[in-house]
Amino acid sequence: GEDVEQSLFLSVREGDSSVINCTYTDSSSTYLYWYKQEPGAGLQLLTYIFSNMDMKQDQRLTVLLNKKDKHLSLRIADTQTGDSAIYFCAEFSNSNSGYALNFGKGTSLLVTP
Amino acid sequence: NAGVTQTPKFQVLKTGQSMTLQCAQDMNHNSMYWYRQDPGMGLRLIYYSASEGTTDKGEVPNGYNVSRLNKREFSLRLESAAPSQTSVYFCASSQRGANEQFFGPGTRLTVL
Repeated sequence: GEDVEQSLFLSVREGDSSVINCTYTDSSSTYLYWYKQEPGAGLQLLTYIFSNMDMKQDQRLTVLLNKKDKHLSLRIADTQTGDSAIYFCAEFSNSNSGYALNFGKGTSLLVTP
Repeated sequence: NAGVTQTPKFQVLKTGQSMTLQCAQDMNHNSMYWYRQDPGMGLRLIYYSASEGTTDKGEVPNGYNVSRLNKREFSLRLESAAPSQTSVYFCASSQRGANEQFFGPGTRLTVL
């Protein structure tokens, strides 16, 4: 599919907020996801947002969606060293393979003490 | 529940050898997927199976075949491995396409 774009690296200090940005491609995307991958492990769903929402908050996580700009962001409040991982943005739309997600290349988040 | 399991965890092959990567899920999901993950490339879909008895090509199907053996199992076969197939392979499943996909731990394959 076409590219879902993310910045490759982000470094923050423990306790600060992290903001990971993503631009997606398909204006008909219905669901947008954030996955987390820890070293040597598979992907774990963190949160998702439906396309008719602007914002979703789940404990330390806040997802913002700007449909006009096709821009998605994930904010992690009070970032901890355990949040160090790769974060993937993914879109689902009916114009994809039909059933699969279109992933970005991932943002490596490093949290320093 | 084990979720999504994959075997083997690691494999080294010589060019031209064949092997099958196994995947099973115990969540009674309808859809299953095979992705490959390469550095700087994110995840790319190889094949998927929307439901038992159906399989379809994804973004990068060349050099691979799949079998949806039953609702639980979805295998990926490399008939003649090439160094370009060195990658980490992830299997995933979901109830339906738009639902959350659950990922296995991955198989790290090296082709020499």
